[in-house]
Amino acid sequence: DAKTTQPPSMDCAEGRAANLPCNHSTISGNEYVYWYRQIHSQGPQYIIHGLKNNETNEMASLIITEDRKSSTLILPHATLRDTAVYYCIVRVVVRNTPLVFGKGTRLSVIA
Amino acid sequence: GAVVSQHPSWVICKSGTSVKIECRSLDFQATTMFWYRQFPKQSLMLMATSNEGSKATYEQGVEKDKFLINHASLTLSTLTVTSAHPEDSSFYICSAYDRRGQETQYFGPGTRLLVL
Repeated sequence: DAKTTQPPSMDCAEGRAANLPCNHSTISGNEYVYWYRQIHSQGPQYIIHGLKNNETNEMASLIITEDRKSSTLILPHATLRDTAVYYCIVRVVVRNTPLVFGKGTRLSVIA
Repeated sequence: GAVVSQHPSWVICKSGTSVKIECRSLDFQATTMFWYRQFPKQSLMLMATSNEGSKATYEQGVEKDKFLINHASLTLSTLTVTSAHPEDSSFYICSAYDRRGQETQYFGPGTRLLVL
């Protein structure tokens, strides 16, 4: 699976949009971009994933650049409960293969 | 999304004892489950892949005789930490894919183990 690069930490004001970047310049054509987050002392929570089109669900939006070398996770109206470590993971969708986690971005939402 | 549960959520034990952690898929069947370990301020590290009805596959550096994994049914995998020592104190998390087995991996809430 391709390597990802994320900033170690970010701050965001409550109520504002949180934009979390991820660089995956070596991504291959059949690799998906996945985002998970881990709130302190909890298991990781799935947020969203995509291949090349932008995706949106009730939690967030995923914007993937046209060359697919980077992506941005957008939390439209961050709340204090969004404070967590956010992981960007690139993987080929192969049956029953485990996710490999990097260091992620620690997002702090500030009141 | 699919729901994965773990029990217990936290456990304290004495050094030298064994501890069993259960991982259940509540609304789907999982032929494969994964066990991760997470030390403070670090990312999740994959320990092993648990396969229903067969032996688990362990990652390099993980002692299979110390971390016994049993996947006896399509909804239950157990991790037993044998002869636990203080350095085994960690956050243990299990996960499984949804019914289709490939798209989205769902995680349990984790079990915090403290070995005194």
